[in-house]
Amino acid sequence: SAVISQKPSRDICQRGTSLTIQCQVDSQVTMMFWYRQQPGQSLTLIATANQGSEATYESGFVIDKFPISRPNLTFSTLTVSNMSPEDSSIYLCSAEQGLNTEAFFGQGTRLTVV
Amino acid sequence: DQQVKQNSPSLSVQEGRISILNCDYTNSMFDYFLWYKKYPAEGPTFLISISSIKDKNEDGRFTVFLNKSAKHLSLHIVPSQPGDSAVYFCAGTVYGGATNKLIFGTGTLLAVQP
Repeated sequence: SAVISQKPSRDICQRGTSLTIQCQVDSQVTMMFWYRQQPGQSLTLIATANQGSEATYESGFVIDKFPISRPNLTFSTLTVSNMSPEDSSIYLCSAEQGLNTEAFFGQGTRLTVV
Repeated sequence: DQQVKQNSPSLSVQEGRISILNCDYTNSMFDYFLWYKKYPAEGPTFLISISSIKDKNEDGRFTVFLNKSAKHLSLHIVPSQPGDSAVYFCAGTVYGGATNKLIFGTGTLLAVQP
């Protein structure tokens, strides 16, 4: 199956700043997603990254806070904007290679906001 | 409103014995249920899935059972091996819509003792 490279793998950031996380897949995929896993919590879908158009956000997540780009079928970025300590989480990129296939994940970005 | 629940945060099993991980769900619309395994500092990896029209799916040492009337599924690992020690997430998904959204449980940490 395809491999997702996600970077950075971890970062410590000052509150009020922004961090952009990159997700690169080694082959073309139909769907790309961004998840968040807060400490002790399950993985929660932030948004679906749509190629060539605006991302589709889940309830509780907004574009101003989590702008997403997907310029082609293998690459996406998630920006965590104006960070606060509550944004400290693991952020995970995910993709699906075809319709009704299981999703696979990158290794995640562990973000700590101080 | 958590649609997928894993009520046991941890489980300890002796090597060679059976591991049984449980998951309950409240959404009857799920088409598929999936189990993912996650090692520290890595992203979740797909393990096994089951369609909502089936009651059992087996793949080597891993078997998933689905009880639709009880809205309960379980993952059996037999025999358990120390390399199986990881966090296991169950997830439900509805396929065929605009996006295939995974709803995850909070995970169960499995420790297989040598």
